Amino acid sequence: NAGVTQTPKFQVLKTGQSMTLQCAQDMNHEYMSWYRQDPGMGLRLIHYSVGAGITDQGEVPNGYNVSRSTTEDFPLRLLSAAPSQTSVYFCASSLAGSSYNEQFFGPGTRLTVL
Amino acid sequence: RKEVEQDPGPFNVPEGATVAFNCTYSNSASQSFFWYRQDCRKEPKLLMSVYSSGNEDGRFTAQLNRASQYISLLIRDSKLSDSATYLCVVKRGGATNKLIFGTGTLLAVQP
Repeated sequence: NAGVTQTPKFQVLKTGQSMTLQCAQDMNHEYMSWYRQDPGMGLRLIHYSVGAGITDQGEVPNGYNVSRSTTEDFPLRLLSAAPSQTSVYFCASSLAGSSYNEQFFGPGTRLTVL
Repeated sequence: RKEVEQDPGPFNVPEGATVAFNCTYSNSASQSFFWYRQDCRKEPKLLMSVYSSGNEDGRFTAQLNRASQYISLLIRDSKLSDSATYLCVVKRGGATNKLIFGTGTLLAVQP
């Protein structure tokens, strides 16, 4: 199993550009989520999904869109990039059902917006 | 006030030392508790879950005090390879798997 994969690893955007961060998992996990990590802030939840066709907002959803057309894929779209979106983005997945199910994280995407 | 608070450190300790990390959470409805480890420029990985009765995994011991809303992690006989950031993580109740992360405590084990 590859686990959780993310592409690209690094990206530099100009203000106003749009792009999609890709996330895929091969563990048949129902739950997938996107976090951003900023210095001094910890990881913060952007959007999450409890299954194909179902998504919901986390703590910091503004400026981001998601969709979940398959169990495996959960892309994150930046609509019009802003310097405040410079961050490290992590995708995670887990089984649903138990409150102690482990969340597995992808290796992250380091995004810089100029 | 952050929902999950940790001392950011850094904790600089010699090899073989015992070190303890503390964490407090503010939402009394929090359901599950974890310690994750994050190496520099890497993704977080689950170190251990924290159960009400306390639990141990080798050199690592985790404790939970629901009344005080306090979680701890004790590392005995520190190794160089323990150097990392330790994240206190709380899961809210309900049908979702939302995790709330502390900002992490940096541990540097010195030779």
